[in-house]
Amino acid sequence: GEDVEQSLFLSVREGDSSVINCTYTDSSSTYLYWYKQEPGAGLQLLTYIFSNMDMKQDQRLTVLLNKKDKHLSLRIADTQTGDSAIYFCAESGGTKAAGNKLTFGGGTRVLVKP
Amino acid sequence: SQTIHQWPATLVQPVGSPLSLECTVEGTSNPNLYWYRQAAGRGLQLLFYSVGIGQISSEVPQNLSASRPQDRQFILSSKKLLLSDSGFYLCAWSVSRTYEQYFGPGTRLTVT
Repeated sequence: GEDVEQSLFLSVREGDSSVINCTYTDSSSTYLYWYKQEPGAGLQLLTYIFSNMDMKQDQRLTVLLNKKDKHLSLRIADTQTGDSAIYFCAESGGTKAAGNKLTFGGGTRVLVKP
Repeated sequence: SQTIHQWPATLVQPVGSPLSLECTVEGTSNPNLYWYRQAAGRGLQLLFYSVGIGQISSEVPQNLSASRPQDRQFILSSKKLLLSDSGFYLCAWSVSRTYEQYFGPGTRLTVT
């Protein structure tokens, strides 16, 4: 079955760039997502990328996709203390008939130090 | 704009008691609806999803069930809770014409 892996923890200084990495195994993944979860809250969709794209940029966020290596990364520029959260990578086969189910990684806890 | 509601926000229930968690979506029609469980602040496990009224797909065998009595209402139930049912339950929705999936605020369930 599908598997999505992420490192557990990342510590970064305020103002530096953060890079969160994710690997997946399903070669038929159509969409790949990044979600942010703050303590005690639901998941916030940050961005997603279609599998035929290599890169997507949205303000401070840059998503890079290496489809050959099945590697996805999220770069956060000028990291702020408000960026401290758990970040989840997810993939979808994009099959509407199957309900567009997402498979999530275990999450990377990002701690931003002042 | 679309919004998703979940209640209750927190729940403490004894082992063996029944459970009913409710999720409703506003501002859209015929959404796909999902129930996930998150244990110990880590990854999410998809429990159920629904592509229409009365249509429920179960992803993992378990002590829980789901129902969709109305287009924008999704209910997670159990007849008898187990300790292992404790966790953070998240409802989500998407529409078939896009691939974005949006989450509700979650319900924290503690089974004692």
